[in-house]
Order: sequence, then C-alpha cells, then structure tokens
Amino acid sequence: DAGVIQSPRHEVTEMGQEVTLRCKPISGHDYLFWYRQTMMRGLELLIYFNNNVPIDDSGMPEDRFSAKMPNASFSTLKIQPSEPRDSAVYFCASSLTSGRLNEQFFGPGTRLTVL
Amino acid sequence: GESVGLHLPTLSVQEGDNSIINCAYSNSASDYFIWYKQESGKGPQFIIDIRSNMDKRQGQRVTVLLNKTVKHLSLQIAATQPGDSAVYFCAASKAAGNKLTFGGGTRVLVKP
Repeated sequence: DAGVIQSPRHEVTEMGQEVTLRCKPISGHDYLFWYRQTMMRGLELLIYFNNNVPIDDSGMPEDRFSAKMPNASFSTLKIQPSEPRDSAVYFCASSLTSGRLNEQFFGPGTRLTVL
Repeated sequence: GESVGLHLPTLSVQEGDNSIINCAYSNSASDYFIWYKQESGKGPQFIIDIRSNMDKRQGQRVTVLLNKTVKHLSLQIAATQPGDSAVYFCAASKAAGNKLTFGGGTRVLVKP
C-alpha cells in the first residue's frame, strides 16, 4: 500500500487566496484525521471523520476552515480566505477500527506558506 | 479538557547509550497512550502503544512505562542509534473514539 497520500506537498499562496489541501487515506481505513502542526502550538487535531461522516470538528480554528469527505478514498481541507497565521504543516492521517487500537497512519504533510 | 505535555524539549544522547523520554498527562480518564516518532520532513510514525491496564510494554529496542498514579508515561530506547534522531511525541486518548491528544514533542539528538 502507498500509505496516506497528500497533495500538494508544498503550497505558497498570498493572503486572501483560497487553499485546498487533499488527502487519500489508506484503502479500507474508516477513520480520517486532519492535523495542523506549528512550532508554537505543536500538533493539533482539526477534524476527524468516521465512515466519511464528520465526528468532531471542534479543533477547526474558525469558519474560514472547512473539510469534506465525499467518499472513502478522498478528503479535502479548504481555507478561504487564507491568512499568514495559517502557515503550518497540515497532516492527514487514517486508521482502522479493527486494527491496532488508535494507531493512526500519517501522510507526509502539506507545508503551507501564506504570504 | 485533556492535555498532554513533555518535560524535556531536547535530549542529547551518545550513540549506544539508552534514552529516556518523559511525558505527563492530565486527564485520568485517558485509557490509551501512544508514542510517535517524527523525522524531519515526514509525518509522525507509530512506535508503540500501551493500555491503561498495563504498566509496561516492550517492543524492539523500545519500552513504554506507564504510571497511572502520577499520570506519567515514558519511552525508553535501548542502545540509541543515529537513526533514532527525531522528535518524539506522546499521545493519549479516552476509551471512546479515536481522538488523540498529542504532547509538545521532545527532540532526541544522537551524538556519534
């Protein structure tokens, strides 16, 4: 298996622009997580899905952030409009209910820079 | 809410020595604990986990110890190698669901 796939790996945009991050979880996994990692705040859970349904979005910073999972093999995290403080590495992770308990497999991340 | 924190931000260790990374958690309802390793430019990678009904678990060169009385977790790496240089995170979750709360991370630097 190729593991969790994220695209793009790097994104540089200007303040006010829309940014869309993409994730393909490991095939067969039923949980999908979006995290944000910064030096100041560490690794923060933004939102997670179970069987394509959002379960907990309490970590989403504000209305500028939205996430969707239209099917079991694809999810997006959108920021509109983007701001410089959104600059971070965004990770997607997936896990399997029947697998090792709470083991999440992380993608390589998308490094976002908002100028 | 639940919070998980680390005592030492950076640990420098001689190659071949043992490493110990510590972690404290605040929520006594936490049932599962996991250690992740993150190398530069990569996502976190699972190392080892432990349930709250255990106080010790061993893997290959790694041992996790759990002290529920003082809400403390540690990761021991035996015979530390250059490839062990990374940032290590502890994470905790409650019994229900798969939501993990991560600690701030400890950087381990292995000196040759």
